[in-house]
Amino acid sequence: DTAVSQTPKYLVTQMGNDKSIKCEQNLGHDTMYWYKQDSKKFLKIMFSYNNKELIINETVPNRFSPKSPDKAHLNLHINSLELGDSAVYFCASSQDRGISYGYTFGSGTRLTVV
Amino acid sequence: GENVEQHPSTLSVQEGDSAVIKCTYSDSASNYFPWYKQELGKGPQLIIDIRSNVGEKKDQRIAVTLNKTAKHFSLHITETQPEDSAVYFCAAADVEYGNKLVFGAGTILRVKS
Repeated sequence: DTAVSQTPKYLVTQMGNDKSIKCEQNLGHDTMYWYKQDSKKFLKIMFSYNNKELIINETVPNRFSPKSPDKAHLNLHINSLELGDSAVYFCASSQDRGISYGYTFGSGTRLTVV
Repeated sequence: GENVEQHPSTLSVQEGDSAVIKCTYSDSASNYFPWYKQELGKGPQLIIDIRSNVGEKKDQRIAVTLNKTAKHFSLHITETQPEDSAVYFCAAADVEYGNKLVFGAGTILRVKS
């Protein structure tokens, strides 16, 4: 059983489209995250939810909207996709707000905007 | 906010040699320092972490050292093997204030056999 699973693994779409990425964790963790990894491999946090509550919201265009229906799920919806949104998006989870046990990452979603 | 710098950006070693990756951080409030290994096409995986009340931690061939005064920490891999080839990331966070890990830019480690 995959601990943190993301779907889809690959996503190719045209500029201007709206798309969603789904994430689910079966670890019983309290906190979930979205990170963006650019072409130079740099990992930057976008959002964090703790028990369905948004606790971190970095400087991200408001075209990006996270949604957490319950503490095991954190989805990412992107409106009006732009070329610069092309990247690998990682979902992660951790035990609690104190990151007692570090993050567990999903395998990533490679988004390509053409 | 926190800023983490990581060096070198690429590192090539011969199988069996040691590899050292160094990171510095800017926020003296940071107290949690994990290291992640990312293999091609996969997500980062936690390999070792250290808290600010500990100076060194070891797990088989991997060790991490922390110098809080100088605000730097290092990853040491001994007896490197081809399967150690990957991208390694350091990170820092203040666990008392939240759970935002700030990552270094990564080090591509190549172990030549």
